[in-house]
Amino acid sequence: SAVISQKPSRDICQRGTSLTIQCQVDSQVTMMFWYRQQPGQSLTLIATANQGSEATYESGFVIDKFPISRPNLTFSTLTVSNMSPEDSSIYLCSVGGPGLYYNEQFFGPGTRLTVL
Amino acid sequence: TQLLEQSPQFLSIQEGENLTVYCNSSSVFSSLQWYRQEPGEGPVLLVTVVTGGEVKKLKRLTFQFGDARKDSSLHITAAQPGDTGLYLCAGGGSQGNLIFGKGTKLSVKP
Repeated sequence: SAVISQKPSRDICQRGTSLTIQCQVDSQVTMMFWYRQQPGQSLTLIATANQGSEATYESGFVIDKFPISRPNLTFSTLTVSNMSPEDSSIYLCSVGGPGLYYNEQFFGPGTRLTVL
Repeated sequence: TQLLEQSPQFLSIQEGENLTVYCNSSSVFSSLQWYRQEPGEGPVLLVTVVTGGEVKKLKRLTFQFGDARKDSSLHITAAQPGDTGLYLCAGGGSQGNLIFGKGTKLSVKP
């Protein structure tokens, strides 16, 4: 399994501002994913970030609102732009594991975002 | 569109009781994973099942994949307070992604 860290672990932001969340992996991985989760609820996939190509966004999520960078095989960032209180959530990154054939994923600890 | 229906959504039991969580779909999945998540942490992979009819055991947890690979169950024997958490089933999508169920929030009281 991979060890994944996220920064910041939590933040409180004002509406209209932007926050960039970093995801660092201790090994090279092909696929990285960004999710949003309301506390106690399931995960919603925002986008898939593959190195060397543009991120693929799920329905309901757009690049202008959630720009993603993937400069190398161990790092990715997600920016939440022009934030509103509705963006308050937990944001998780994950990576496709060695058993990618089985779609296994390993998750970071998450970033808890509160927008006032 | 592949969907996973997970039930029950909430479960509150006493220590020592048994419980079963179900994950059902009308679609066939090549693999299915179960994750557990504790507050303030990311989901942690418990098991992956890939073969129809497969049964895997992890201490007091028993995971089963349906013969048709459309459903799965998680059975916990003699639940303990340390089992408390959010349990998520997830099926493998065609793009290397995961399709998650809505989760089961389990509370085991001493």
